[in-house]
Amino acid sequence: GENVEQHPSTLSVQEGDSAVIKCTYSDSASNYFPWYKQELGKRPQLIIDIRSNMDKRQGQRVTVLLNKTVKHLSLQIAATQPGDSAVYFCAESGGYNKLIFGAGTRLAVHP
Amino acid sequence: EAQVTQNPRYLITVTGKKLTVTCSQNMNHEYMSWYRQDPGLGLRQIYYSMNVEVTDKGDVPEGYKVSRKEKRNFPLILESPSPNQTSLYFCASSQRTGPDYGYTFGSGTRLTVV
Repeated sequence: GENVEQHPSTLSVQEGDSAVIKCTYSDSASNYFPWYKQELGKRPQLIIDIRSNMDKRQGQRVTVLLNKTVKHLSLQIAATQPGDSAVYFCAESGGYNKLIFGAGTRLAVHP
Repeated sequence: EAQVTQNPRYLITVTGKKLTVTCSQNMNHEYMSWYRQDPGLGLRQIYYSMNVEVTDKGDVPEGYKVSRKEKRNFPLILESPSPNQTSLYFCASSQRTGPDYGYTFGSGTRLTVV
């Protein structure tokens, strides 16, 4: 069945360094890949997304890369700040009327 | 303000006592969905609804019911809660008829069944 593997499960970086989170998805028909940030005790919030007709998308300090050939997805957060500390989820959406989420990466940014 | 509103935020109940978690969105979204979040498992879909009176099972529907009598509301019903349904629940909605435009999540309901 459809599955999204996400790693690492935890990530600790120093403030100012970059953080990279990677995902592998299983459904080659997936066409939409959002990333969500969930701060402690709060709801997941969309931070960036990418569609299958793109291989790179950039936001403010965040970049998502999509390699459809090997079904890999990655999120890079540049110049991390303590406020970036949260759990990050990748997800995929195909023709199944749902988003399938990875298990999440807990990012800790240390001052 | 565009939002998805869930109630209650916290609920402690006993095994077997029927409960309903409400979800309402004010964005005129057709698509709504319920997820549960458990440590190490991410978010798993319970049920979804493509439109009024159209609902279908997600990955973990056992022990849950939903209804969609009007577009804005999508309540989650636990007829006979059990301790394995202790979890954090999120309602979500999306524009158009699918999740391909991103979810807006509610604030979550932390349910404990003792």
